[in-house]
Amino acid sequence: SSELTQDPAVSVALGQTVRITCQGDSLRSYYASWYQQKPGQAPVLVIYGKNNRPSGIPDRFSGSSSGNTASLTITGAQAEDEADYYCNSRDTVFGTGTKVTVL
Amino acid sequence: EVQLVESGGGLVQPGGSLRLSCAASGFTFSSYWMSWVRQAPGKGLEWVANIKQDGSEKYYVDSVKGRFTISRDNAKNSLYLQMNSLRAEDTAVYYCARDRGELEGDRYYYYMDVWGKGTTVTVSS
Repeated sequence: SSELTQDPAVSVALGQTVRITCQGDSLRSYYASWYQQKPGQAPVLVIYGKNNRPSGIPDRFSGSSSGNTASLTITGAQAEDEADYYCNSRDTVFGTGTKVTVL
Repeated sequence: EVQLVESGGGLVQPGGSLRLSCAASGFTFSSYWMSWVRQAPGKGLEWVANIKQDGSEKYYVDSVKGRFTISRDNAKNSLYLQMNSLRAEDTAVYYCARDRGELEGDRYYYYMDVWGKGTTVTVSS
């Protein structure tokens, strides 16, 4: 199956840690990439490869992978991290998306 | 500054056609695969199509095969999406994005590192 499954929504207290997961068979062969999307804006790449951050992405964002599951962790969540997050595998399949609420 | 700017969206009747454009600047356009990604109102991201650097390879999501055609003009630093036989379910914001792919250890990974702001396509009578 080429599908990638994410939890629809998670919440995190300001300054705490949240992990967003992405499950799919393709993740056994390909590292995921992760995108942040705020309302009315284009997606922004936050993690790619094993655990790489583009220039300008804070180091509180990190990625990991095990078996068929990829994870995006935000350590010390900030108010500005409230957004939708999407994983992607093989470039052609996006996850279902996770809405992160910062309380 | 690396930039992608989409244009060509609008309101079109079911069965109609539309051609989207994406103007690239700030990088060597001819060196990269490029993709179109769409997002229906209130829904998630959906990859639509991508094209190799020289246009020799093109891939599409099943739902648009036979109706949409991706193309590029490297001399004009431009990417296109010709959309025919449009349906209500094609209503979405359409983004163009720059594709990257690399090998790390024994795994490949792909990502889209530059995105445009999108252009809105509405299919309605």
